[in-house]
Amino acid sequence: AQKITQTQPGMFVQEKEAVTLDCTYDTSDPSYGLFWYKQPSSGEMIFLIYQGSYDQQNATEGRYSLNFQKARKSANLVISASQLGDSAMYFCAMRGAIQGAQKLVFGQGTRLTINP
Amino acid sequence: GAVVSQHPSRVICKSGTSVKIECRSLDFQATTMFWYRQFPKQSLMLMATSNEGSKATYEQGVEKDKFLINHASLTLSTLTVTSAHPEDSSFYICSALAGGGNNQPQHFGDGTRLSIL
Repeated sequence: AQKITQTQPGMFVQEKEAVTLDCTYDTSDPSYGLFWYKQPSSGEMIFLIYQGSYDQQNATEGRYSLNFQKARKSANLVISASQLGDSAMYFCAMRGAIQGAQKLVFGQGTRLTINP
Repeated sequence: GAVVSQHPSRVICKSGTSVKIECRSLDFQATTMFWYRQFPKQSLMLMATSNEGSKATYEQGVEKDKFLINHASLTLSTLTVTSAHPEDSSFYICSALAGGGNNQPQHFGDGTRLSIL
């Protein structure tokens, strides 16, 4: 079975600092995809970044980057130069190519608070 | 691109009422849509996978007669909470896949806050 673990229930960071949100996963699928979503207090889920299991390079999207360490089964999200608007819940998710194809398995989430 | 519209955004109704929630993909066709439920301060829990033109696949523990799903077209899936009771109060959110491939993200609607009095 696939599993995503986010061990940080809450994170508090000073504005303009970088922050790393942890995510570890477990799967027996040889091919899988890892996703990060942001959920503001209004509730919508905003797709941030994707990392494929066979991608050679770490994914980057603007201020977001993914520190993908396949051997450790971790896919940490790094947000550089944090802004007040980054305060939200962040979910790590995984989709396998075989087990439950197309379904996303979500972690418990991390609530990020950016302090001015 | 890849916009998903969910309606209504908030519903408050009396116990025993049936509530229909719509999920539309506005600028793409979605053969597969997903329905999630989220309790306060918790993660998203997948309720069912909705496939266009066929019966939905429900996750274990989700009552299919309670949560009716219809995916009649490539752009619309509906979730009907039948005879809703206070314990059905929750945040319901849908998502849609724009295409195949493991790298395609699910695109989410804005969610529906359902309150049953």
